[in-house]
Amino acid sequence: DTGVSQNPRHKITKRGQNVTFRCDPISEHNRLYWYRQTLGQGPEFLTYFQNEAQLEKSRLLSDRFSAERPKGSFSTLEIQRTEQGDSAMYLCASSRSQGNEQFFGPGTRLTVL
Amino acid sequence: QKEVEQNSGPLSVPEGAIASLNCTYSDRGSQSFFWYRQYSGKSPELIMSIYSNGDKEDGRFTAQLNKASQYVSLLIRDSQPSDSATYLCAVMFSGGYNKLIFGAGTRLAVHP
Repeated sequence: DTGVSQNPRHKITKRGQNVTFRCDPISEHNRLYWYRQTLGQGPEFLTYFQNEAQLEKSRLLSDRFSAERPKGSFSTLEIQRTEQGDSAMYLCASSRSQGNEQFFGPGTRLTVL
Repeated sequence: QKEVEQNSGPLSVPEGAIASLNCTYSDRGSQSFFWYRQYSGKSPELIMSIYSNGDKEDGRFTAQLNKASQYVSLLIRDSQPSDSATYLCAVMFSGGYNKLIFGAGTRLAVHP
């Protein structure tokens, strides 16, 4: 059973640049979540997909953030015009439609210089 | 505002002892509760889920839930140095499309 995978694992970018992250969930999981975690804090919910439908988006997510899951399989998270405050670990998780347990990928660590 | 509270620690226990980690949550309607372990620089790893009042045991781990008191705990028996990590309590609040609300985590240090 292949786990959740995320790419890239690390991303260093300059302020103002756009970045895109990819998440591949566990194959039979139709629910996909994005979270963000900063040092010393627990993960913070960003957005949720059931199949290809984006059903919830955090009010904390500015318009610079967009996520897609075009065919209900992998998902991408794009951050436009990055700011230093965007530096964090971006985590993707997936779960079955009949279960509540969420399994996390290894994360993408973003550093904005 | 829906909140999950944990003592940040560090909680220091000797090898072989029982480590007790606690968590409180604000939403009385919550039904699903989870404990994740996170090693430094790594992503959270699910170790326990609990949905009903009482105890749930899995190996050296026991999760305890008391919905009336809005309290969930994790006991680790026979603690090992490899258990040293941050333990995150997560709650799936009612009406929240399955998103998890996490506490800030409790750092556990098991010393030989």
